[in-house]
Amino acid sequence: DQQVKQNSPSLSVQEGRISILNCDYTNSMFDYFLWYKKYPAEGPTFLISISSIKDKNEDGRFTVFLNKSAKHLSLHIVPSQPGDSAVYFCAASRSGNTPLVFGKGTRLSVIA
Amino acid sequence: KAGVTQTPRYLIKTRGQQVTLSCSPISGHRSVSWYQQTPGQGLQFLFEYFSETQRNKGNFPGRFSGRQFSNSRSEMNVSTLELGDSALYLCASSGGQNYGYTFGSGTRLTVV
Repeated sequence: DQQVKQNSPSLSVQEGRISILNCDYTNSMFDYFLWYKKYPAEGPTFLISISSIKDKNEDGRFTVFLNKSAKHLSLHIVPSQPGDSAVYFCAASRSGNTPLVFGKGTRLSVIA
Repeated sequence: KAGVTQTPRYLIKTRGQQVTLSCSPISGHRSVSWYQQTPGQGLQFLFEYFSETQRNKGNFPGRFSGRQFSNSRSEMNVSTLELGDSALYLCASSGGQNYGYTFGSGTRLTVV
Protein backbone atom coordinates (compact mmCIF):
# COMPACT_ATOMS: atom_id res chain seq x y z
CA ASP A 1 0.00 0.00 0.00
CA GLN A 2 1.79 3.07 -1.26
CA GLN A 3 0.97 6.08 0.86
CA VAL A 4 2.91 8.59 -1.24
CA LYS A 5 2.61 8.37 -5.00
CA GLN A 6 4.49 10.07 -7.77
CA ASN A 7 2.68 8.87 -10.85
CA SER A 8 5.06 10.32 -13.43
CA PRO A 9 8.34 8.39 -13.52
CA SER A 10 9.88 10.98 -15.81
CA LEU A 11 9.42 14.50 -17.13
CA SER A 12 11.24 16.47 -19.84
CA VAL A 13 11.15 20.25 -19.91
CA GLN A 14 12.94 22.86 -22.00
CA GLU A 15 15.39 25.18 -20.30
CA GLY A 16 13.69 28.37 -19.11
CA ARG A 17 10.22 26.85 -18.95
CA ILE A 18 8.31 25.74 -15.89
CA SER A 19 8.71 22.23 -14.43
CA ILE A 20 5.76 20.88 -12.45
CA LEU A 21 6.25 17.72 -10.43
CA ASN A 22 3.23 16.13 -8.79
CA CYS A 23 2.70 14.02 -5.71
CA ASP A 24 -0.40 12.44 -4.17
CA TYR A 25 -0.81 10.96 -0.72
CA THR A 26 -3.43 8.77 0.86
CA ASN A 27 -2.81 9.16 4.60
CA SER A 28 -4.79 12.13 5.91
CA MET A 29 -2.66 12.09 9.07
CA PHE A 30 0.36 13.43 7.16
CA ASP A 31 1.00 17.01 8.21
CA TYR A 32 4.45 17.80 6.85
CA PHE A 33 5.69 17.41 3.32
CA LEU A 34 9.13 17.67 1.78
CA TRP A 35 10.81 17.51 -1.60
CA TYR A 36 14.26 16.03 -2.08
CA LYS A 37 16.49 16.11 -5.12
CA LYS A 38 18.88 13.31 -5.96
CA TYR A 39 21.80 13.14 -8.35
CA PRO A 40 23.32 9.78 -9.33
CA ALA A 41 25.79 8.35 -6.80
CA GLU A 42 24.76 10.90 -4.17
CA GLY A 43 22.27 10.89 -1.34
CA PRO A 44 19.04 12.91 -1.63
CA THR A 45 19.34 16.56 -0.66
CA PHE A 46 16.56 18.56 0.95
CA LEU A 47 14.94 21.09 -1.35
CA ILE A 48 11.83 22.61 0.19
CA SER A 49 9.10 21.71 2.68
CA ILE A 50 5.59 22.72 3.63
CA SER A 51 3.48 22.30 6.73
CA SER A 52 -0.17 21.33 6.44
CA ILE A 53 -1.18 24.68 7.92
CA LYS A 54 0.02 26.36 4.72
CA ASP A 55 -0.94 25.94 1.09
CA LYS A 56 2.16 27.46 -0.49
CA ASN A 57 5.83 27.86 0.27
CA GLU A 58 8.41 29.59 -1.90
CA ASP A 59 12.17 29.48 -1.97
CA GLY A 60 13.76 31.19 -4.94
CA ARG A 61 12.92 29.32 -8.11
CA PHE A 62 11.13 26.57 -6.16
CA THR A 63 7.52 26.70 -4.97
CA VAL A 64 5.56 23.92 -3.34
CA PHE A 65 1.76 23.95 -3.37
CA LEU A 66 -0.38 21.85 -1.05
CA ASN A 67 -4.02 20.99 -1.65
CA LYS A 68 -5.15 19.14 1.47
CA SER A 69 -8.66 18.41 0.28
CA ALA A 70 -7.27 16.68 -2.81
CA LYS A 71 -4.32 15.18 -0.87
CA HIS A 72 -2.05 16.55 -3.55
CA LEU A 73 1.11 18.58 -3.63
CA SER A 74 3.21 19.89 -6.46
CA LEU A 75 6.66 21.36 -6.91
CA HIS A 76 7.09 24.17 -9.42
CA ILE A 77 10.54 25.11 -10.72
CA VAL A 78 10.69 28.38 -12.62
CA PRO A 79 12.74 28.89 -14.70
CA SER A 80 14.08 25.38 -15.17
CA GLN A 81 17.83 25.02 -15.65
CA PRO A 82 19.91 22.10 -16.96
CA GLY A 83 21.41 21.70 -13.45
CA ASP A 84 17.92 20.87 -12.17
CA SER A 85 18.07 17.55 -14.03
CA ALA A 86 17.83 14.96 -11.27
CA VAL A 87 15.39 12.60 -9.58
CA TYR A 88 12.91 14.38 -7.32
CA PHE A 89 11.35 12.61 -4.37
CA CYS A 90 8.26 13.69 -2.53
CA ALA A 91 8.11 12.72 1.17
CA ALA A 92 5.54 13.02 3.93
CA SER A 93 5.44 12.61 7.67
CA ARG A 94 3.05 13.00 10.55
CA SER A 95 3.67 14.41 13.99
CA GLY A 96 5.00 12.10 16.64
CA ASN A 97 8.44 11.07 15.48
CA THR A 98 7.27 8.90 12.63
CA PRO A 99 9.58 8.20 9.71
CA LEU A 100 9.44 10.00 6.39
CA VAL A 101 7.50 8.11 3.73
CA PHE A 102 8.85 8.63 0.23
CA GLY A 103 7.36 8.37 -3.22
CA LYS A 104 9.17 6.47 -5.98
CA GLY A 105 10.56 9.62 -7.53
CA THR A 106 10.25 11.52 -10.81
CA ARG A 107 13.24 11.90 -13.09
CA LEU A 108 13.37 15.46 -14.43
CA SER A 109 15.37 16.21 -17.56
CA VAL A 110 15.86 19.86 -18.45
CA ILE A 111 16.88 20.19 -22.07
CA ALA A 112 19.03 23.12 -23.17
CA LYS B 1 29.93 21.21 9.87
CA ALA B 2 30.59 17.69 8.60
CA GLY B 3 27.73 15.90 6.86
CA VAL B 4 26.49 12.36 7.23
CA THR B 5 29.27 9.88 6.52
CA GLN B 6 28.59 6.38 5.27
CA THR B 7 31.19 3.68 4.86
CA PRO B 8 32.03 1.88 2.74
CA ARG B 9 30.81 3.54 -0.47
CA TYR B 10 30.80 0.32 -2.47
CA LEU B 11 30.62 -3.31 -1.45
CA ILE B 12 30.41 -6.60 -3.33
CA LYS B 13 29.32 -9.67 -1.42
CA THR B 14 28.35 -13.23 -2.24
CA ARG B 15 24.94 -14.75 -1.56
CA GLY B 16 24.74 -16.17 1.94
CA GLN B 17 27.33 -13.82 3.39
CA GLN B 18 26.58 -11.07 5.86
CA VAL B 19 27.45 -7.39 5.69
CA THR B 20 27.74 -4.45 8.08
CA LEU B 21 27.31 -0.87 6.95
CA SER B 22 28.26 2.16 9.02
CA CYS B 23 26.83 5.65 9.38
CA SER B 24 28.12 8.64 11.30
CA PRO B 25 25.44 11.33 11.67
CA ILE B 26 25.85 15.07 11.80
CA SER B 27 27.30 16.12 15.14
CA GLY B 28 24.48 16.69 17.61
CA HIS B 29 21.90 14.70 15.68
CA ARG B 30 20.50 11.87 17.74
CA SER B 31 18.15 10.32 15.19
CA VAL B 32 19.51 8.03 12.48
CA SER B 33 17.29 6.41 9.86
CA TRP B 34 18.14 3.82 7.24
CA TYR B 35 16.53 3.47 3.82
CA GLN B 36 16.95 1.03 0.95
CA GLN B 37 16.74 2.38 -2.59
CA THR B 38 16.20 0.02 -5.51
CA PRO B 39 15.31 0.95 -9.11
CA GLY B 40 11.62 1.63 -9.44
CA GLN B 41 10.92 1.29 -5.71
CA GLY B 42 12.00 4.62 -4.36
CA LEU B 43 13.24 4.82 -0.80
CA GLN B 44 11.97 2.06 1.47
CA PHE B 45 12.24 2.69 5.20
CA LEU B 46 14.26 0.12 7.14
CA PHE B 47 14.50 1.44 10.69
CA GLU B 48 15.18 4.48 12.84
CA TYR B 49 17.29 4.79 15.95
CA PHE B 50 17.14 7.50 18.54
CA SER B 51 19.39 7.61 21.60
CA GLU B 52 20.49 4.00 21.06
CA THR B 53 16.89 2.71 20.86
CA GLN B 54 15.04 1.52 17.79
CA ARG B 55 12.13 3.91 17.52
CA ASN B 56 10.54 2.77 14.27
CA LYS B 57 10.86 -0.26 12.03
CA GLY B 58 9.83 -0.84 8.43
CA ASN B 59 8.57 -4.00 6.75
CA PHE B 60 11.82 -5.83 6.17
CA PRO B 61 12.67 -9.38 7.24
CA GLY B 62 14.62 -10.08 10.40
CA ARG B 63 17.79 -10.54 8.35
CA PHE B 64 18.01 -6.75 8.44
CA SER B 65 19.05 -5.36 11.80
CA GLY B 66 20.72 -2.30 13.18
CA ARG B 67 22.02 -0.61 16.25
CA GLN B 68 23.11 2.77 17.47
CA PHE B 69 25.99 3.59 19.75
CA SER B 70 26.25 6.16 22.51
CA ASN B 71 28.00 8.59 20.13
CA SER B 72 24.96 8.29 17.77
CA ARG B 73 26.92 6.38 15.14
CA SER B 74 24.82 3.61 13.68
CA GLU B 75 25.42 0.32 11.94
CA MET B 76 23.08 -1.87 9.96
CA ASN B 77 23.64 -5.54 9.35
CA VAL B 78 22.20 -7.82 6.71
CA SER B 79 22.68 -11.54 7.22
CA THR B 80 22.30 -14.37 4.73
CA LEU B 81 22.48 -12.02 1.78
CA GLU B 82 20.18 -12.57 -1.20
CA LEU B 83 20.54 -11.25 -4.74
CA GLY B 84 17.53 -9.00 -4.12
CA ASP B 85 19.39 -7.19 -1.36
CA SER B 86 21.49 -5.44 -4.00
CA ALA B 87 20.62 -1.78 -3.53
CA LEU B 88 21.79 1.62 -2.43
CA TYR B 89 21.54 1.85 1.36
CA LEU B 90 21.06 5.37 2.61
CA CYS B 91 21.48 6.68 6.09
CA ALA B 92 19.94 9.97 7.22
CA SER B 93 20.29 11.93 10.41
CA SER B 94 17.83 14.38 11.87
CA GLY B 95 18.02 17.04 14.53
CA GLY B 96 14.38 16.79 15.47
CA GLN B 97 10.79 16.60 14.30
CA ASN B 98 10.08 18.48 11.08
CA TYR B 99 13.70 19.34 10.52
CA GLY B 100 13.84 16.90 7.66
CA TYR B 101 16.65 14.49 7.07
CA THR B 102 20.21 14.99 5.90
CA PHE B 103 21.31 12.01 3.89
CA GLY B 104 24.69 10.47 3.41
CA SER B 105 25.95 9.47 -0.04
CA GLY B 106 24.96 5.88 0.57
CA THR B 107 26.58 2.46 0.35
CA ARG B 108 26.09 0.63 -2.93
CA LEU B 109 25.78 -3.06 -2.09
CA THR B 110 26.00 -5.64 -4.86
CA VAL B 111 25.24 -9.26 -4.06
CA VAL B 112 26.54 -11.79 -6.58
